[in-house]
Amino acid sequence: DVHLEESGGGLVKPGGSLRLSCAASGFTFRNYMLGWARQAPGKGLEWVSYISSSSSTIYSSDSVKGRFTISRDNAKNSLSLQMNSLRVEDTAVYYCVRLRAPSLLSFMDVWGKGITVTVSS
Amino acid sequence: QSVLTQPPSVSGAPGERVTISCTGNNSNIGANFDVHWYQQVPGTAPKVLIYGNDKRPSGVPDRFSGSRSATSASLAITGLQVEDEADYYCQSYDKRLSASIFGGGTKLTVL
Repeated sequence: DVHLEESGGGLVKPGGSLRLSCAASGFTFRNYMLGWARQAPGKGLEWVSYISSSSSTIYSSDSVKGRFTISRDNAKNSLSLQMNSLRVEDTAVYYCVRLRAPSLLSFMDVWGKGITVTVSS
Repeated sequence: QSVLTQPPSVSGAPGERVTISCTGNNSNIGANFDVHWYQQVPGTAPKVLIYGNDKRPSGVPDRFSGSRSATSASLAITGLQVEDEADYYCQSYDKRLSASIFGGGTKLTVL
């Protein structure tokens, strides 16, 4: 069974840092582009960042560029999102996602259950 | 303000047909980029419903269909069921933004 599970969420003050992790199982991790999407409370979906299978290509939305860093460890079937300089508007449920194709044009065919990040003083 | 525009809400009675529109521009849908649709039942993660404009993943009933024309796309749901009550999002790519983009979402209420 294909599965993605996020961890590492929580409450952090504005300007603080947090690291999200995603553990994958049930598929050949190293073959897929992966990423993160988020959903602010009561709001719609927003793409955050993608990373290619070999980590050679990274795409990030303008809203997180320079603050968030995506990375992966193919040996451990693990994806991470290092979030620095957090802002109140980064408060959201963060989803770990798998891309069907290695492209920014692709759709997200597998989603984790999501993890909550709250940025508040 | 989303680049892709969806109606905030639609509704229909069980058994009826509803459509949800997703309107873009010449930088995204009008530039021939594929549109994908997701269903999100409240409190759960989204799941892909339609990909590549009109393709259904295995397990998605054929009551759900998608289409794309010019600068817009549509999701149609026929034979509406109570369990279809959810939020629906369209997604595409925008070449001016160099970004994956979502519509603002549409809440479907089954009366």
